[in-house]
Amino acid sequence: GDSVTQMEGPVTLSEEAFLTINCTYTATGYPSLFWYVQYPGEGLQLLLKATKADDKGSNKGFEATYRKETTSFHLEKGSVQVSDSAVYFCALSTGGGSYIPTFGRGTSLIVHP
Amino acid sequence: SAVISQKPSRDICQRGTSLTIQCQVDSQVTMMFWYRQQPGQSLTLIATANQGSEATYESGFVIDKFPISRPNLTFSTLTVSNMSPEDSSIYLCSVEDQGNYGYTFGSGTRLTVV
Repeated sequence: GDSVTQMEGPVTLSEEAFLTINCTYTATGYPSLFWYVQYPGEGLQLLLKATKADDKGSNKGFEATYRKETTSFHLEKGSVQVSDSAVYFCALSTGGGSYIPTFGRGTSLIVHP
Repeated sequence: SAVISQKPSRDICQRGTSLTIQCQVDSQVTMMFWYRQQPGQSLTLIATANQGSEATYESGFVIDKFPISRPNLTFSTLTVSNMSPEDSSIYLCSVEDQGNYGYTFGSGTRLTVV
């Protein structure tokens, strides 16, 4: 079945540091890929997405590129802020009549001033 | 994107009791989804709720334990019945973000069973 594997957290960084959160996936067919963010006390929000190979999703300074050859969708940001502290979930959706996503376990990011 | 109001935001309940969680959407949606997020774990889909029909439950979840109502296209409830400490989790409702290939989530209900 479909699955998503994320790097374990927490990831702890200083403000303005470079961020990478690794995500790899296993899926039949050609999935759409997503990153969701969950700020403390809130629900999940869609951060960015990519629907086909080599697409780059971007939002709020975050980027992720759909790499079919490595089945990866790593999340990056060049300079993190304290306000980026949250849990980040990688997810995929394969369609086929239902786009209900499969989620990774989430990676907690803690950014210190 | 749709906006979801979910309540309660948190509760502490005695074992053996039941809690009903409500989600109100600001637009009409065909399907609503209920998830459980256990500490340190991924989101697990409990069931899909369509208006006017019984909910469809995922493997490992049953209607007697998690009854769902879907009386109209903007509202749904999930009840956690006969609770035990193992039911302590965050419960989230979700709807599809039409045309955006993504999903919108409620803010979650943090349930602690003592």
